[in-house]
Amino acid sequence: DAGVTQSPTHLIKTRGQQVTLRCSPKSGHDTVSWYQQALGQGPQFIFQYYEEEERQRGNFPDRFSGHQFPNYSSELNVNALLLGDSALYLCASSFSGTSYEQYFGPGTRLTVT
Amino acid sequence: AQRVTQPEKLLSVFKGAPVELKCNYSYSGSPELFWYVQYSRQRLQLLLRHISRESIKGFTADLNKGETSFHLKKPFAQEEDSAMYYCALSRRGFQKLVFGTGTRLLVSP
Repeated sequence: DAGVTQSPTHLIKTRGQQVTLRCSPKSGHDTVSWYQQALGQGPQFIFQYYEEEERQRGNFPDRFSGHQFPNYSSELNVNALLLGDSALYLCASSFSGTSYEQYFGPGTRLTVT
Repeated sequence: AQRVTQPEKLLSVFKGAPVELKCNYSYSGSPELFWYVQYSRQRLQLLLRHISRESIKGFTADLNKGETSFHLKKPFAQEEDSAMYYCALSRRGFQKLVFGTGTRLLVSP
């Protein structure tokens, strides 16, 4: 099991563009959470998906949206990119039934110029 | 509001010295507290959580509800403990984590 995987590793976009980041959860996990980690900060919760529905949401604008597929993989979409969206985007997966432990992916580094 | 404060950005100690990484939290209710660690070129991973009350890699953390603290301790630091440490909390029954800004621990030989 490769654990949580994310793609791409790095991405450079221009202000105003749209971006899609992808995440495959650890085998056996059904819940995916997304976090944004700005330089020098701790990860900040964006939202969580379970059973293809957004279950919880952090303090992020509607420009941030997501999706979960029947195979539990997930996408994070960000529209109308701002310079301030430059960050490391982390995906974490977990199993809803028993564990609070979230397994993190390596992240996607997004740079907005 | 939920908040986690880690007052030290960097903690530098010598091998064999005791280590205490501070974490204070603000939360109304009964939170779950966690310590996550990120070693160089590795992904963020769970180190321990207060509910399990176990010691991992020699680290322990006690939840002090009166002082709203969850400090991470190790009696004798090792060079391989050098990493970024994040304290985090979540509301019981929910998996949304609120992280602190992290403390970089540097253990010198």
